[in-house]
Amino acid sequence: EDQVTQSPEALRLQEGESSSLNCSYTVSGLRGLFWYRQDPGKGPEFLFTLYSAGEEKEKERLKATLTKKESFLHITAPKPEDSATYLCAVQSYNDMRFGAGTRLTVKP
Amino acid sequence: NAGVTQTPKFQVLKTGQSMTLQCAQDMNHEYMSWYRQDPGMGLRLIHYSVGAGITDQGEVPNGYNVSRSTTEDFPLRLLSAAPSQTSVYFCASSRGQRGGETQYFGPGTRLLVL
Repeated sequence: EDQVTQSPEALRLQEGESSSLNCSYTVSGLRGLFWYRQDPGKGPEFLFTLYSAGEEKEKERLKATLTKKESFLHITAPKPEDSATYLCAVQSYNDMRFGAGTRLTVKP
Repeated sequence: NAGVTQTPKFQVLKTGQSMTLQCAQDMNHEYMSWYRQDPGMGLRLIHYSVGAGITDQGEVPNGYNVSRSTTEDFPLRLLSAAPSQTSVYFCASSRGQRGGETQYFGPGTRLLVL
C-alpha cells in the first residue's frame, strides 16, 4: 500500500531562519509528487509537481526536490506570511495519498 | 473562472439525517474527487469520477454516495449521517487522473454531526 509520511508535524521558525520539510513515501509506480499549501479554513493550494528523481522546482522562497524515497520543501529566509500547513501527496497509477502535513509557523 | 466551488460552507446535522454536499467546477476537468480531512490525518479519498456517468470508490466510501450526470457537477450524498462523519470535506478536480495532473481544490464544507 502506498504511504506518505511528513516530518516534522510542526515547525516554528524565526523570520529569516531557513529550514526544510520532509516527505517520505513508498509508492508503486510514481506518477507525480505534489506539494500544497493550506491556510486555516481554506482548501489546499497547489505549489509544485515533481515527476522524477533529481527534479527540482522553485517559487519565490520555496524550493522542492525529489529523490526516489523522499521529497524536501526548502524554505529560504521565510516570512510570517509563509505560515501555513504544507501538504505532500503522491500519485500512483490507481491511487492518490496525502501526508498529514507539516504546520509551519514563522515568527517576526 | 471560479475554479472549484462548494456549498454549503458549514452544516450541522443530527444523527440519521441525510444531506447533499454540492461541488462544481468550470475548468472542463474530466476527473473529480471528494476527500475528507480529519485532524492529524491526511486527506482521504471518498469517491472519485473519471468522467460523466463514471464513478468509483476511494479509500473511505462507506456512508457516502456520488453521481456524475454532467462534467461540471459532482455531488456527495450522506445517506444517514453519523457522528463519525464530522469532518471537513473537500472537492477537487483535474484534467485527468493517472498522468500526474494537478488537482485543484475547493474551499471545503465543514460538517458537524450531532
